[in-house]
Amino acid sequence: GDSVTQMEGPVTLSEEAFLTINCTYTATGYPSLFWYVQYPGEGLQLLLKATKADDKGSNKGFEATYRKETTSFHLEKGSVQVSDSAVYFCALQPRGGSEKLVFGKGTKLTVNP
Amino acid sequence: AAGVIQSPRHLIKEKRETATLKCYPIPRHDTVYWYQQGPGQDPQFLISFYEKMQSDKGSIPDRFSAQQFSDYHSELNMSSLELGDSALYFCASSLVGQGANSPLHFGNGTRLTVT
Repeated sequence: GDSVTQMEGPVTLSEEAFLTINCTYTATGYPSLFWYVQYPGEGLQLLLKATKADDKGSNKGFEATYRKETTSFHLEKGSVQVSDSAVYFCALQPRGGSEKLVFGKGTKLTVNP
Repeated sequence: AAGVIQSPRHLIKEKRETATLKCYPIPRHDTVYWYQQGPGQDPQFLISFYEKMQSDKGSIPDRFSAQQFSDYHSELNMSSLELGDSALYFCASSLVGQGANSPLHFGNGTRLTVT
């Protein structure tokens, strides 16, 4: 079945450091790919998405590129802030069938001042 | 913009009791999803409804049931609660019909604690 594998955390960085959170997927066909963020005590918020190969999603300084050849959707940010501390979930949405999301295990990011 | 509304935010029940969680989707969204997130875990899909009909079913226990009403709000009913049911329950909505492949928008969740 469809699945998402995410880099295990936790990840601890200093403010202004470069962030990469790896995400790879297994799916039949061409799914849509997403990054969701969950701040402490809150729900899941859509951070960015990409719906086809080579698409780049971006939001709030975060970026991720849909790489079909490597089945990856790695999340990057050039300079993290303390306010970016949260849990980040990579997810896929299969095409042509159920629209439910399949999530990775999540990566907890802590950014220290 | 209107978001997905879930109620209650927090719920404390004892073992073997019953709980009902409510979800009000974003206006015009035709699909509702329920997810369960245990402590430190990723969200697990429970069930979904498209235009008031069940569209998909995941790892939902037989003790749980759900439905979507004519006004598109949804309720998750949980009976014979067990300690292991303590979790954050998320509802999400999206627009699936007419070829839309909209992202899922999540509510803030209901935190259920079973004692």
